[in-house]
Amino acid sequence: QSVLTQPPSVSGAPGQRVTISCTGSSSNIGAGYDVHWYKQLPGTAPKVLICGNDNRPSGVPDRVSGSKSATSASLAITGLQAEDEADYYCQSYDSSLSLWVFGGGTKLTVL
Amino acid sequence: QLQLQESGPGLVKPSETLSLTCTVSDGSISSSTNYWGWIRQPPGEGLEWIVTLHYTGTTYYNPSLKSRVTISADTSKSQFSLKLTSVTAADTAVYYCARQSGPPTIAARHWYFDLWGRGTLVTVSS
Repeated sequence: QSVLTQPPSVSGAPGQRVTISCTGSSSNIGAGYDVHWYKQLPGTAPKVLICGNDNRPSGVPDRVSGSKSATSASLAITGLQAEDEADYYCQSYDSSLSLWVFGGGTKLTVL
Repeated sequence: QLQLQESGPGLVKPSETLSLTCTVSDGSISSSTNYWGWIRQPPGEGLEWIVTLHYTGTTYYNPSLKSRVTISADTSKSQFSLKLTSVTAADTAVYYCARQSGPPTIAARHWYFDLWGRGTLVTVSS
């Protein structure tokens, strides 16, 4: 069971907006540690999508955004496209367990 | 552009030691602003952080794996290596090496994995 909880799956039609939640606790997100998001296509390594809660690395489209509040974080993707279909993971640090932690992952399906 | 590449046996027998090396090309691991780590992903499952190293020797371990993990760096070859002892079938996974980066003005605990190798599947089986 992951320290950071994500929904196993979300889906949306092309052009729609979807959000993926990442729920933590007072020892990770709630303690102020940054949340990062990764996108993983089948058979490939994860790639960072959002860093430092809400920053997009160069090359990530602005229809992707991140936010953080209290003990949770969210990834939002607007104008859904077929290429967005992938697994998404949140990541932070947990001071109680003394380790970097990942969420269990969310599979995004574009209908 | 800096790239990471994992190498090592794809099959390890139970109770033996898994050994992997990550080679950093077109770059150096001797950067004060980067850490270097290993992450694994069992087939069909999520990501698990294993260990992180700074070239100066500072090391951070996943507590659940610490007793079995060794990480080392060879700065002359721009390589860092992972050893995992007493492996079982539960250690079967794709193993990724990755660079950990972030603003130097904030603690490394806030950093993220900004560059990854392609990953290598290691199967533990007799």
